Amino acid sequence: QQQVKQSPQSLIVQKGGISIINCAYENTAFDYFPWYQQFPGKGPALLIAIRPDVSEKKEGRFTISFNKSAKQFSLHIMDSQPGDSATYFCAASLVHGSSNTGKLIFGQGTTLQVKP
Amino acid sequence: GAGVSQSPRYKVTKRGQDVALRCDPISGHVSLYWYRQALGQGPEFLTYFNYEAQQDKSGLPNDRFSAERPEGSISTLTIQRTEQRDSAMYRCASSLRSAGGYSNQPQHFGDGTRLSIL
Repeated sequence: QQQVKQSPQSLIVQKGGISIINCAYENTAFDYFPWYQQFPGKGPALLIAIRPDVSEKKEGRFTISFNKSAKQFSLHIMDSQPGDSATYFCAASLVHGSSNTGKLIFGQGTTLQVKP
Repeated sequence: GAGVSQSPRYKVTKRGQDVALRCDPISGHVSLYWYRQALGQGPEFLTYFNYEAQQDKSGLPNDRFSAERPEGSISTLTIQRTEQRDSAMYRCASSLRSAGGYSNQPQHFGDGTRLSIL
């Protein structure tokens, strides 16, 4: 019920291409779905997040697509750049309500390499 | 800096020793989380504080692990009688929390403490 499954484990994309990372969750009560970007030696940093009442959110070159019925969501990186090379984590959380802590359930991570 | 600060960055100790890991959250952040991250995996939740109250410790693996945040700011994660399986990156995150209890505030992560048990 608490798992978040992420794929692929690793991804190689040419500069200018589209990077797509997918996640699936089990707990239908989750109400907050962030994506984190992590560079070597650093902690994860929030990239973009979505709530289940919208199907898509775009911020610059980064877009989250959300399919509530399929319990899946994905990150699309348009015009991928070498500087985007990092590990990406999807996550899910319960945030609404005073009894929920907002703890994040993370996917396993995707290592993205963007070749020049 | 204004980010989450963790110390030490690296800790190497012998099996059986106790270790204390420190987290200094962003000033004014009410919520504080501890996570453990194995190599090649996503962070795994350990425990959560709202101010000084430990409201969720469901992720602590066993009773050798404990955490405190006595004044609602700095937190310490303590591992007693360490074992080799405790070796991992330990991360702290903090966030604001609205008065209405809506905890959808971004969690800001520190750079972690790399713990190695020999």
